[in-house]
Amino acid sequence: NAGVTQTPKFQVLKTGQSMTLQCAQDMNHEYMSWYRQDPGMGLRLIHYSVGAGITDQGEVPNGYNVSRSTTEDFPLRLLSAAPSQTSVYFCASSDRGLGPETQYFGPGTRLLVL
Amino acid sequence: GDSVTQMEGPVTLSEEAFLTINCTYTATGYPSLFWYVQYPGEGLQLLLKATKADDKGSNKGFEATYRKETTSFHLEKGSVQVSDSAVYFCALSMNTGFQKLVFGTGTRLLVSP
Repeated sequence: NAGVTQTPKFQVLKTGQSMTLQCAQDMNHEYMSWYRQDPGMGLRLIHYSVGAGITDQGEVPNGYNVSRSTTEDFPLRLLSAAPSQTSVYFCASSDRGLGPETQYFGPGTRLLVL
Repeated sequence: GDSVTQMEGPVTLSEEAFLTINCTYTATGYPSLFWYVQYPGEGLQLLLKATKADDKGSNKGFEATYRKETTSFHLEKGSVQVSDSAVYFCALSMNTGFQKLVFGTGTRLLVSP
């Protein structure tokens, strides 16, 4: 049981390049989400999904796309990277149920956009 | 909108000292409250949570009590260890639909021997 996995761990991009951050979970969780962590700002929600085929925007969605074709995977796409997207990205998953769920976080992807 | 405010760090303590990290929240309803911990180079782990007023969450010697009257959820530990050095995040979620976490800015704790 690996939990939530993210790849790559670290990436350097040039402005305008595209890339996909991968996220996978093996806990059969319905909910998955992406957050970015910036100094002095805590974590902010980018996009989330409540099940396969269903995605929605979070607090800071601009410049990012997501899709959810399977329960296990929730990739985050940067179509044209900008220096403002330099951040640490965390994927999380949780199980839909009654009451507040515990969200499980991956180890993060550190992205540097030059 | 909903928000969480927590004390700025870093908090620097000697081993066995008492720890308090303040957290207050603003929410339109009755949120659930969480403390997450992030050790160096790792993702966030749930430390403890409380789902209603006067609930006390506890784990690994850490405690926090949900105070509706003061909209607070302060984290405390009676005797910190060097291994407690990490960044601590206070967060809330509303108990409807997808439970988006709203995080505070995090407080770095440094414990010296």
